[in-house]
Amino acid sequence: AQSVTQPDIHITVSEGASLELRCNYSYGATPYLFWYVQSPGQGLQLLLKYFSGDTLVQGIKGFEAEFKRSQSSFNLRKPSVHWSDAAEYFCAVGRSQGAQKLVFGQGTRLTINP
Amino acid sequence: GAGVSQSPSNKVTEKGKDVELRCDPISGHTALYWYRQRLGQGLEFLIYFQGNSAPDKSGLPSDRFSAERTGESVSTLTIQRTQQEDSAVYLCASRIGPNQPQHFGDGTRLSIL
Repeated sequence: AQSVTQPDIHITVSEGASLELRCNYSYGATPYLFWYVQSPGQGLQLLLKYFSGDTLVQGIKGFEAEFKRSQSSFNLRKPSVHWSDAAEYFCAVGRSQGAQKLVFGQGTRLTINP
Repeated sequence: GAGVSQSPSNKVTEKGKDVELRCDPISGHTALYWYRQRLGQGLEFLIYFQGNSAPDKSGLPSDRFSAERTGESVSTLTIQRTQQEDSAVYLCASRIGPNQPQHFGDGTRLSIL
């Protein structure tokens, strides 16, 4: 069965510090991988996606993620966080063909200390 | 507007009532999805529409849930005889085509008393 695991439910970092959010997936086919961010009361905004090609993908707001097939991981990184990055982050996986019904992780809540 | 629009943004109703949630996808987006997000959880897939093809209903949790979409326009998600466990945020997403990401609306927060 397809699944996504985000091991960290809640992470707190100081403003200006680096950030890495972990995502591991279980998928039987070639996956499409996504990171979305959700602010309170809002829908999901796409940060970045991996479909194929270069395994290091750049996204909006200074985020990047690296696809590591051997580790079934797609970790999200940012070199220096800003207070406005405080939000819930979701990793998702979908098929590369067909309906792209996304399977989401439980989310990681990011808190920024001033 | 340019994004996916959902209405109402909030809905409070009594157990046993029927509710109808609406989604206006981005113009030109052929694929439309409904997801459910329970408190503190990730999103669960409910149903998928692609053009005029038969919808993929494999995620609907019970026969109390149904959804319709006419062509590539508005979709409605209906929950009949609501139960307290139906309380959640219902999110709609649309996608322009293959190899493109889904774009989400802000959701409808449904509370069943």
